Amino acid sequence: DTEVTQTPKHLVMGMTNKKSLKCEQHMGHRAMYWYKQKAKKPPELMFVYSYEKLSINESVPSRFSPECPNSSLLNLHLHALQPEDSALYLCASSQGPEGLGGELFFGEGSRLTVL
Amino acid sequence: KNQVEQSPQSLIILEGKNCTLQCNYTVSPFSNLRWYKQDTGRGPVSLTIMTFSENTKSNGRYTATLDADTKQSSLHITASQLSDSASYICVVSPGSGGSYIPTFGRGTSLIVHP
Repeated sequence: DTEVTQTPKHLVMGMTNKKSLKCEQHMGHRAMYWYKQKAKKPPELMFVYSYEKLSINESVPSRFSPECPNSSLLNLHLHALQPEDSALYLCASSQGPEGLGGELFFGEGSRLTVL
Repeated sequence: KNQVEQSPQSLIILEGKNCTLQCNYTVSPFSNLRWYKQDTGRGPVSLTIMTFSENTKSNGRYTATLDADTKQSSLHITASQLSDSASYICVVSPGSGGSYIPTFGRGTSLIVHP
């Protein structure tokens, strides 16, 4: 199984809502990532988890809150978002300690629209 | 600062034609370079990986080259198909001693017309 599964595929939320994006992988990878991608731009790194611990936060606003309940799951909790947060949110995983030089396996993404 | 530059930004070709995409990087130390294909609205999928000692690698109609001395890579697509229409992203990973986070290029948007 070489899949990274993300749910939901599409999410529409208001600025006062609380929602969560979920990501799951069963490849035994120990590094998991959240990326944000705007149209016609490359993915931008948000967070990296290594061995279930947050190792990188790329100065992401606190309205985005990541969580790694176990080695297979990664969540992104959303609260009080702004319309400019609308984007494709990609989850990825890789082998080894903090994914050093490793291939990133991406999920299909969650398309988020903030009204 | 680690950087990855891709050219052209966009490319339109006719079905059946060949094309070549370019990637220049300044990532150091270097570990590997990957080309990803990303269909609109979907996650990127890896096409090839090149390490320091490799010059050429093929995956079906995709052939990647790497010149580690000039820090350049290319992705050649042979006999293009409509399904090749996508964004192609060059991603360079650093080796030990540097930041371990891969650096993404801005991508080349390829459109294949019938």
